[in-house]
Amino acid sequence: EAQVTQNPRYLITVTGKKLTVTCSQNMNHEYMSWYRQDPGLGLRQIYYSMNVEVTDKGDVPEGYKVSRKEKRNFPLILESPSPNQTSLYFCASSLGDRGLSFEQYFGPGTRLTVT
Amino acid sequence: ILNVEQSPQSLHVQEGDSTNFTCSFPSSNFYALHWYRWETAKSPEALFVMTLNGDEKKKGRISATLNTKEGYSYLYIKGSQPEDSATYLCAFVIFGNEKLTFGTGTRLTIIP
Repeated sequence: EAQVTQNPRYLITVTGKKLTVTCSQNMNHEYMSWYRQDPGLGLRQIYYSMNVEVTDKGDVPEGYKVSRKEKRNFPLILESPSPNQTSLYFCASSLGDRGLSFEQYFGPGTRLTVT
Repeated sequence: ILNVEQSPQSLHVQEGDSTNFTCSFPSSNFYALHWYRWETAKSPEALFVMTLNGDEKKKGRISATLNTKEGYSYLYIKGSQPEDSATYLCAFVIFGNEKLTFGTGTRLTIIP
């Protein structure tokens, strides 16, 4: 089954404790992206990747890191999480490494709480 | 940061009625406009991606139109059913930029 998977689905952590949220897709998509969803603000793009070893900042990259060593995986790293990073996070992928003219496939979401 | 505006923010529609809502975006350097359907406790799912002025797309009872010159897209739902209850998101891409900018969505509730 074609899908985007994320782990963990739920995470409660403390300020400053490094964490990684994994994202994997089995559709051979070039483009992958991370979003955060906060009430009243809509989905905001954190980072995106157009292909292996190619990543770029979205609109809200501060406090996050990503890497794209393999085509299928795009982990999101929070080196020192803070309470303002409490949010619902989505990973997504799509065909094409130039221009978003294909639909995004979203993962199930990761609900992160930082205390 | 580019602004994508959706209206109305929320909408209650009687089952069987038809409805529509709007996505407004900057018209310069347009590349693509996406529509997604997002049910509570699930992930957003793609409805349409449109790239050409005048594009019209249809999927079952849902259709969308695109006007890139004036910067708007309409989403129409014909004969609303309870399963249409969801938040409908639009997202905009400008030429030469690989970022997707989302609106805050229109929350649609169908009243049985």
